[in-house]
Parts: sequence; C-alpha cells; structure tokens
Amino acid sequence: DQQVKQNSPSLSVQEGRISILNCDYTNSMFDYFLWYKKYPAEGPTFLISISSIKDKNEDGRFTVFLNKSAKHLSLHIVPSQPGDSAVYFCAASAGGGSQGNLIFGKGTKLSVKP
Amino acid sequence: EAGVVQSPRYKIIEKKQPVAFWCNPISGHNTLYWYRQNLGQGPELLIRYENEEAVDDSQLPKDRFSAERLKGVDSTLKIQPAELGDSAVYLCASSSMTKETGYTFGSGTRLTVV
Repeated sequence: DQQVKQNSPSLSVQEGRISILNCDYTNSMFDYFLWYKKYPAEGPTFLISISSIKDKNEDGRFTVFLNKSAKHLSLHIVPSQPGDSAVYFCAASAGGGSQGNLIFGKGTKLSVKP
Repeated sequence: EAGVVQSPRYKIIEKKQPVAFWCNPISGHNTLYWYRQNLGQGPELLIRYENEEAVDDSQLPKDRFSAERLKGVDSTLKIQPAELGDSAVYLCASSSMTKETGYTFGSGTRLTVV
C-alpha cells in the first residue's frame, strides 16, 4: 500500500499562472515532508521542505502547504515558468528529518506552456 | 562543491550476469543511500549507510544484491545474478547532518537487463 500518493500523473499550466501539485499521505508517523524536482536523465534535486510543526514554508516562487488533519500537502509555484517543466516528487520521512529514510510518491509531470 | 558522482551512467547486461554500480558521495557527507527507481515510480530505498556501517538494509534483496562502503566514502552496489525485473535506475544520494536541505542525488545508473 502506498504511503505517499500523488494522484495526478500530469499537470499542464500556462506560463505565468499558478501550478498546484498535490500529495496525500497515510502514515501519521511522517513528520517531515520534501519536494524534489527531476529533469530527464538527471537525479532528483531538492526543492523545498516542511516540518510537521509548520503549516507553510515559502522559498521564492515555491510555497509548500501542510494540512496535517487531512494528511495532505501541496506545492504552489507562482508564477510558473517553462523551466519549471519537470517531474515533481513528494517525499516524507518519519523521525529522521531531511536525513531520514524517504518514502516517495510516484511523481507528477508538470508541463508549463509558453 | 562537486556533486554525487555515479558510474556507469548506462549499463545493458544479459540476465544472470553480474553488474556493479559505483558511487562517490559529496566530500564530508557521512550518510549514503542507494535508491532504486522503477519506470513510472518514485525512488525506493535499498540501503542506507552511516559512515561505513549499513544502518538500514531491510529493503535490500539480499539473495542477489550486496553493497559495501569501504572507509566510509565510496560505495558499490552489486547484483549477482541480474534478473529482468532488476531493470531500473539506481540512484545514489548523500547527506550531511549539518544541512536541512535534503539529500543530494547523483544522476543515477540506468540498468537494462535483457
């Protein structure tokens, strides 16, 4: 059973608009959440993270929101740029923070159209 | 700083043959991870090292997979014998306890077993 779920395999957004990528989790022991971005033929690169003691973390155009009661987090990208086109993975860990064993979702492929 | 270096980038072998992957982590990173990413899936942890000690190998199929991290630096992951289902991207990552920026992944080795 998947503990981290990204139910949208793909998302297409117009340049300049907001991109919202969603992630749900089932394990209530998860206390740290991360988003990774992956371009073809490259490894995932860290984008932004959030601890379970927060409900929002912002870094430039990227904001992650955490709703613990719903076991749901989302990544907002505003404004979206063509260079943001990639696969985005949601990941979670229990007890290890950003260094813990990460459980990844299947990813959402974002396409930003010029 | 130099990134996580993996080699080879691509490997094609016949089933039942052995194969090995090599990883050089970022200098000073004491934690090293091997992940496997199947097509259309997120990465899944195989093994985690703290320095030279394997602290979590519960997901490593030990009948055919082995790994080592000599002197707590470079690491190798071996499969012997390879099966068709082992075709995947094998990702190495490293992290430092002093950073809250998630793992740094290498570009991965794409293995095709024919």
